[in-house]
Amino acid sequence: SQELEQSPQSLIVQEGKNLTINCTSSKTLYGLYWYKQKYGEGLIFLMMLQKGGEEKSHEKITAKLDEKKQQSSLHITASQPSHAGIYLCGAYAGGTSYGKLTFGQGTILTVHP
Amino acid sequence: DTGVSQNPRHKITKRGQNVTFRCDPISEHNRLYWYRQTLGQGPEFLTYFQNEAQLEKSRLLSDRFSAERPKGSFSTLEIQRTEQGDSAMYLCASSLWVRPGHPNTEAFFGQGTRLTVV
Repeated sequence: SQELEQSPQSLIVQEGKNLTINCTSSKTLYGLYWYKQKYGEGLIFLMMLQKGGEEKSHEKITAKLDEKKQQSSLHITASQPSHAGIYLCGAYAGGTSYGKLTFGQGTILTVHP
Repeated sequence: DTGVSQNPRHKITKRGQNVTFRCDPISEHNRLYWYRQTLGQGPEFLTYFQNEAQLEKSRLLSDRFSAERPKGSFSTLEIQRTEQGDSAMYLCASSLWVRPGHPNTEAFFGQGTRLTVV
């Protein structure tokens, strides 16, 4: 079965700093989702990557799927307190189980003003 | 229709009682998924439907758990004879599946139902 490892597990940064969260898969990634979660709430969709080398950006968040398709990174530029939360990567195994996602354990981001 | 809706948001129940949760997906989405999330972990897949058909169930889904999507729209997840280990956040997601080989579409999640078994 596919396993996803996120690093770091937690991150504390000062407002305005850049940061990167990594997601490494034990198997080839056919698709990789990034979500953000506030404690006790649901998951907010950020981005989906499907092609090796693909890079997407939304506001100050950029995600990339490496060409070997076993790792993805999420980069936040000039972090703000509103970026605080739990970031989760989720991957699907391909085949007919589109949408059946395996998730990493999450990265807890704290941004100090 | 602004997103995936789950009810109730919170449920506290006594051990041994039955509970039922409801999920209303995004209206045009034909796939619906249930996940369970415990503290400090990522969500774990439980089951999913394409329209009204339940296509896959995880080994996590014991006999006490049953999910339905009778008309291919909303879904319910029932837990019978709840145990303290069932305490978790239950998340529902939906997506649009077109055909084999078609690029995947985004999976959107609801706010979840937090179950506490006392």
